[in-house]
Amino acid sequence: AQSVAQPEDQVNVAEGNPLTVKCTYSVSGNPYLFWYVQYPNRGLQFLLKYITGDNLVKGSYGFEAEFNKSQTSFHLKKPSALVSDSALYFCAVRASYNTDKLIFGTGTRLQVFP
Amino acid sequence: EAEVAQSPRYKITEKSQAVAFWCDPISGHATLYWYRQILGQGPELLVQFQDESVVDDSQLPKDRFSAERLKGVDSTLKIQPAELGDSAMYLCASTLAEDTDTQYFGPGTRLTVL
Repeated sequence: AQSVAQPEDQVNVAEGNPLTVKCTYSVSGNPYLFWYVQYPNRGLQFLLKYITGDNLVKGSYGFEAEFNKSQTSFHLKKPSALVSDSALYFCAVRASYNTDKLIFGTGTRLQVFP
Repeated sequence: EAEVAQSPRYKITEKSQAVAFWCDPISGHATLYWYRQILGQGPELLVQFQDESVVDDSQLPKDRFSAERLKGVDSTLKIQPAELGDSAMYLCASTLAEDTDTQYFGPGTRLTVL
């Protein structure tokens, strides 16, 4: 079965520093990977996706993610963190190639300190 | 910018009572999803509609949960009777038929069962 793991419950970073939120995946076949962000009392917002092509995917709000097949990882990155980036981040994978059902990770809380 | 609407935003009920949640997807979005997000976990798909038809309800506890999308537009999720373990955030999402990779989420309904 397809799955994703987010090994860190929380990531703390100072404003202006680069940030990384980690995600590893386990899939059979080609992975369809996603990142979503959830702000307090809000629904999830789509950030970016990897379907095929370049390993570096650019998304909303200056975020990018790097697909690494050998390490089965899809880490979310941003060169310079903002306090407003503080939120809950979810990695997700499509359940199978013939469905758009998503399997979400447990989430990582990002805290950016001024 | 069009958004997915959900109501109510908060619901407190006693166990064994019936509750219902409403979702109005973005206009033109053919696919609608209901997710349950338990505190500290990622969203879990309960049911997926394509227009008025159920595509996937494999994770829906059918002894107490029901969902409908009679005219293929808005949708209602019902729980009867509610149990303590149903306390969670219930999220609705929708996608365009031609781009099911990007799910647009509503703000959710936070259910507390006492």
